[in-house]
Amino acid sequence: KNQVEQSPQSLIILEGKNCTLQCNYTVSPFSNLRWYKQDTGRGPVSLTIMTFSENTKSNGRYTATLDADTKQSSLHITASQLSDSASYICVVSPGTTDKLIFGTGTRLQVFP
Amino acid sequence: DGGITQSPKYLFRKEGQNVTLSCEQNLNHDAMYWYRQDPGQGLRLIYYSQIVNDFQKGDIAEGYSVSREKKESFPLTVTSAQKNPTAFYLCASSLGTVLETQYFGPGTRLLVL
Repeated sequence: KNQVEQSPQSLIILEGKNCTLQCNYTVSPFSNLRWYKQDTGRGPVSLTIMTFSENTKSNGRYTATLDADTKQSSLHITASQLSDSASYICVVSPGTTDKLIFGTGTRLQVFP
Repeated sequence: DGGITQSPKYLFRKEGQNVTLSCEQNLNHDAMYWYRQDPGQGLRLIYYSQIVNDFQKGDIAEGYSVSREKKESFPLTVTSAQKNPTAFYLCASSLGTVLETQYFGPGTRLLVL
């Protein structure tokens, strides 16, 4: 069964600290993996998208890594800011269908 | 939110009532999607359309209906057959296939009175 699992479910950090969010998937075949940021009550916004041949992709203070062999991805946030408080969703595309597989997200809270 | 708008932001439904959620995009995207988001669950696909006048059921289409008469518009109707409609509804669009990045609207929160 195609699944995307994210950990932790929630995370609290202090402003300025770094953090890493994890995504494990069992989707096969694999086409690409995306990370989205979703502010409370808003629609998700794309942060990064990686194909199986890419190991890392950065977007400002956000860096995503992908290990297609172990089917794991991580999203590293550097020097966190209060505005980073949001849910981060990992999404995998099987490439064989028109449907994406969504993780349940990690809820990040950054406190001053 | 890109060039995707959803309205209304909040919607209240009475028992037995059909309600329609609006989704408009000015990105010239061919594909449009409707998702439902519930607490603690990943987004679930309701319906999607890759071209005007054509659409396909997603994973949870029962109790919902859509139309795609114009490229820029993809309204979703929540019918009285949907027994648990309370959720956050998200519309998205992309250039073409699911391989392209999907851009999401701001969402509509539907509540049942």
